[in-house]
Amino acid sequence: DAGVIQSPRHEVTEMGQEVTLRCKPISGHNSLFWYRQTMMRGLELLIYFNNNVPIDDSGMPEDRFSAKMPNASFSTLKIQPSEPRDSAVYFCASSPVSRGTGSAFFGQGTRLTVV
Amino acid sequence: AQTVTQSQPEMSVQEAETVTLSCTYDTSESDYYLFWYKQPPSRQMILVIRQEAYKQQNATENRFSVNFQKAAKSFSLKISDSQLGDAAMYFCASRPGQGNLIFGKGTKLSVKP
Repeated sequence: DAGVIQSPRHEVTEMGQEVTLRCKPISGHNSLFWYRQTMMRGLELLIYFNNNVPIDDSGMPEDRFSAKMPNASFSTLKIQPSEPRDSAVYFCASSPVSRGTGSAFFGQGTRLTVV
Repeated sequence: AQTVTQSQPEMSVQEAETVTLSCTYDTSESDYYLFWYKQPPSRQMILVIRQEAYKQQNATENRFSVNFQKAAKSFSLKISDSQLGDAAMYFCASRPGQGNLIFGKGTKLSVKP
């Protein structure tokens, strides 16, 4: 398996622009997580899906952030409009649903820089 | 609410020696998992070891082992025969059943040759 695939790996954008981050989870996994990592705040859970349904989005910082999972093999995290304080590394992770596992596997992350 | 606390921001170990990284957690769930992840400078998050809360036996993966103290809600990671490649950030995490996966702030491990 190719693992969790995130794109792009790096994104530089100007303040006010829309940014879309993409994630393809591991086939057969039906839990998906989006995290944001910064030096100041560490790894923050933004949103968590089970079977394509958002279960907990309490970590989404504000209305500028939105996440979708239209099917089991694709998810997006959108920031509109972007701000310099959104600069961070964004990770996607997926996990199988069957009991006795629980392990989440991470993509390589997207480094977002908003100038 | 779930919380995970790593009280050691930085640790250092001599190559070939043993080091223990500490982690405490809090959860109201009876069914949960605990994890240690490694993040080298490449920033890739790598699963090191996993422990199911219902198992009394401590998990072991080669040079990595855990000391799981359920009553104390403690989950430490022991790295034996430390190698230069073990230098990284180490994150402790907990997950109730199929719920959220919550991370601690991390411990930066340096390995001295």
